[in-house]
Amino acid sequence: DTAVSQTPKYLVTQMGNDKSIKCEQNLGHDTMYWYKQDSKKFLKIMFSYNNKELIINETVPNRFSPKSPDKAHLNLHINSLELGDSAVYFCASSPQHSTNEKLFFGSGTQLSVL
Amino acid sequence: AQSVTQLDSHVSVSEGTPVLLRCNYSSSYSPSLFWYVQHPNKGLQLLLKYTSAATLVKGINGFEAEFKKSETSFHLTKPSAHMSDAAEYFCVVSELLMDTGRRALTFGSGTRLQVQP
Repeated sequence: DTAVSQTPKYLVTQMGNDKSIKCEQNLGHDTMYWYKQDSKKFLKIMFSYNNKELIINETVPNRFSPKSPDKAHLNLHINSLELGDSAVYFCASSPQHSTNEKLFFGSGTQLSVL
Repeated sequence: AQSVTQLDSHVSVSEGTPVLLRCNYSSSYSPSLFWYVQHPNKGLQLLLKYTSAATLVKGINGFEAEFKKSETSFHLTKPSAHMSDAAEYFCVVSELLMDTGRRALTFGSGTRLQVQP
């Protein structure tokens, strides 16, 4: 069984649209994350979230918003998509809200904004 | 403030020869350090981590890394490269932020390892 799964794997859309990427983990972890990987492979954290605390990277535009219906899910909503949003987005989870813990990553969602 | 520098964006080796991927870090306090690997179209996978125990850390797939505080380095090595090692490798530092009590992760920019037959 896949530990961290995200859908869709590929997403192609036009500028100005609103889209969502879903993420689910079946590991029973308390904390989930969203990372953005740009074309130069540089990985940057966007959000970390557990049921008590949302930590936002202040450089992330407020067009991006995480939504967690329950502990096992953390979806990423993006409003008014821009060309610069094209990237690969990774969901991840860890047992506790501590970055000393091993992160488990999903396989990524490649977003292309035309 | 912490930072991570991966000194080589691209490393190419022949199969069966040693691998060295270099990583230098800066950190205000005792950091934890990780190496992650990303195969094409896959998520990141943890190779190994250092958290103030033994300075020589052994990971999966024959990789190991040595924490050298005096050199602020955490280079990743493997005695003999295999074709399946071809991937992108990320050095990551985790530091406790004293003002917030939270830990922050900083990723390096990655090193692409090519393995020639």
